[in-house]
Amino acid sequence: GAVVSQHPSWVICKSGTSVKIECRSLDFQATTMFWYRQFPKQSLMLMATSNEGSKATYEQGVEKDKFLINHASLTLSTLTVTSAHPEDSSFYICSASSGQGSNEQFFGPGTRLTVL
Amino acid sequence: AQSVTQPDIHITVSEGASLELRCNYSYGATPYLFWYVQSPGQGLQLLLKYFSGDTLVQGIKGFEAEFKRSQSSFNLRKPSVHWSDAAEYFCAVGTFGNEKLTFGTGTRLTIIP
Repeated sequence: GAVVSQHPSWVICKSGTSVKIECRSLDFQATTMFWYRQFPKQSLMLMATSNEGSKATYEQGVEKDKFLINHASLTLSTLTVTSAHPEDSSFYICSASSGQGSNEQFFGPGTRLTVL
Repeated sequence: AQSVTQPDIHITVSEGASLELRCNYSYGATPYLFWYVQSPGQGLQLLLKYFSGDTLVQGIKGFEAEFKRSQSSFNLRKPSVHWSDAAEYFCAVGTFGNEKLTFGTGTRLTIIP
């Protein structure tokens, strides 16, 4: 149980275009989902926390207008990178929590974004 | 604010040898502690977790970790590593009532024959 999927697993896009990444909890209801960004050989940087039906909470320094997060249902959250630029190229990982107070997060396999 | 330190950026171990990865945390109350493993280009897989109770916790793949409050540590151990254990290992800390996790910078494990 507790499987989280991400789609796509990798994407290449041109500079200036927008890219949407989906994160789904397959076998549980995720009251909270998290979006992380990971640079090569570095740790995970939390970008934002999203709760179903409410606006996402962004970490300091993360542009909310650039990284649009939607958590429309208890099993789906999306991250849209708007007007992507090469510096947005990174590995994006989502995680989901069932919100039962255990802090345990279940991670998706990640999405490799390359902006040309 | 809570923080996590993984002092070792890179560790190399011979296959079959024992392993210990260090993790120190900073937090006033009892933390929730996690160890995750990440293979190249993959997401994170939970190895084990500590919330309360027995301070020695067993995880998957033969890993264990011991919570030592006096040392603010949660070191990960394995008695005999396998080549497939080569990966990046992350320690993370959370607190009751706050679902966010704070991750350490990770330790890269290399296994040599």
